Amino acid sequence: DGGITQSPKYLFRKEGQNVTLSCEQNLNHDAMYWYRQDPGQGLRLIYYSQIVNDFQKGDIAEGYSVSREKKESFPLTVTSAQKNPTAFYLCASSRGTDPQETQYFGPGTRLLVL
Amino acid sequence: GDSVTQMEGPVTLSEEAFLTINCTYTATGYPSLFWYVQYPGEGLQLLLKATKADDKGSNKGFEATYRKETTSFHLEKGSVQVSDSAVYFCALVSGSARQLTFGSGTQLTVLP
Repeated sequence: DGGITQSPKYLFRKEGQNVTLSCEQNLNHDAMYWYRQDPGQGLRLIYYSQIVNDFQKGDIAEGYSVSREKKESFPLTVTSAQKNPTAFYLCASSRGTDPQETQYFGPGTRLLVL
Repeated sequence: GDSVTQMEGPVTLSEEAFLTINCTYTATGYPSLFWYVQYPGEGLQLLLKATKADDKGSNKGFEATYRKETTSFHLEKGSVQVSDSAVYFCALVSGSARQLTFGSGTQLTVLP
């Protein structure tokens, strides 16, 4: 089955620690996205990538980093500079780079700070 | 900039009731409009979309019509089921933007 997988489902971070969230897609999609969702709020874009080895900042990129070394993978690192990382993180992909293409979402990773 | 405003929730209905979730938007140009649904503990799924004025998106008994004159894209369903309980997000992408803009979401609970 084609789709987007995110791992782990739950992730715990200690103060001062960097953590990496995985996102993999086997849909052969060109574009991939990372969103953050806080309770009672909509999604906010962290980073997106339209092609391998290229990515762009979204609205709330501070404290996060990404890489896109392979078409199917777009990992997100939450660095110690992100002071309020507790949230639900959603990865998405779309077939083309046109922003009006439908985005397909993974099941999400919930990050909690210990 | 672009923005989406959804009716505040939570919304609680009895099974077989009629559902309307209001969504209005502000955008440059002619945006494409979307409704996404998020079931508990899961990611978002595209429910329906419309790409130009007067288009009607529909799926699983849900409908929404792109109304340019009122800048609205209200979600409706004639008879809701318990399984429709979820959070519903209205979203748009305009021609000048490179990203989706989401509303804050509306929690729907359907009671048997």
